Amino acid sequence: AQSVTQLDSQVPVFEEAPVELRCNYSSSVSVYLFWYVQYPNQGLQLLLKYLSGSTLVKGINGFEAEFNKSQTSFHLRKPSVHISDTAEYFCAVSEGGSQGNLIFGKGTKLSVKP
Amino acid sequence: DSGVTQTPKHLITATGQRVTLRCSPRSGDLSVYWYQQSLDQGLQFLIQYYNGEERAKGNILERFSAQQFPDLHSELNLSSLELGDSALYFCASSVGTDASPLHFGNGTRLTVT
Repeated sequence: AQSVTQLDSQVPVFEEAPVELRCNYSSSVSVYLFWYVQYPNQGLQLLLKYLSGSTLVKGINGFEAEFNKSQTSFHLRKPSVHISDTAEYFCAVSEGGSQGNLIFGKGTKLSVKP
Repeated sequence: DSGVTQTPKHLITATGQRVTLRCSPRSGDLSVYWYQQSLDQGLQFLIQYYNGEERAKGNILERFSAQQFPDLHSELNLSSLELGDSALYFCASSVGTDASPLHFGNGTRLTVT
């Protein structure tokens, strides 16, 4: 069975500092990988996704993630964060060619301080 | 704004009761998904409908049911409610093919007292 592990439940960081949010997954087949962001009192918004091809994926708001098959990881990075990046970030995986039936990690709360 | 509309935004009810959550997908989207977000279980996929028919089932309890109507809106029915059903329920929609990403609504927060 698939599973997703987000290693950090909370990540505090200062504004303009770089950040990495970690995600590891387990699956016996090829998968699609996603990062979603949830701002307070809102639904989830897709940041980026890996379906195939280049392992470095660029998303919205300056975020990027790298798919590492050997380490079964899909870490999210941003070189310089803003206060407005404060939100909860969810890593998700799906298999079987679907982008809809997702298995989510528990989430990482990113808190950007001035 | 994702274009997905969920009503109501908040719902407070008592144990044993039944509620209906409603979702209007983005214009043109044929697939609707329901997810539950709770503190202990996190985000869990419940069920998917495509053009009126059930397409996939996740961790949906037998007390819960859903349907998608001809106008493509969907309803999630929760019955015999328990305290543990308190959660945020999200609807998401997509164009419909497996290659299309999800667009989430802002959720319905259900509180069972």
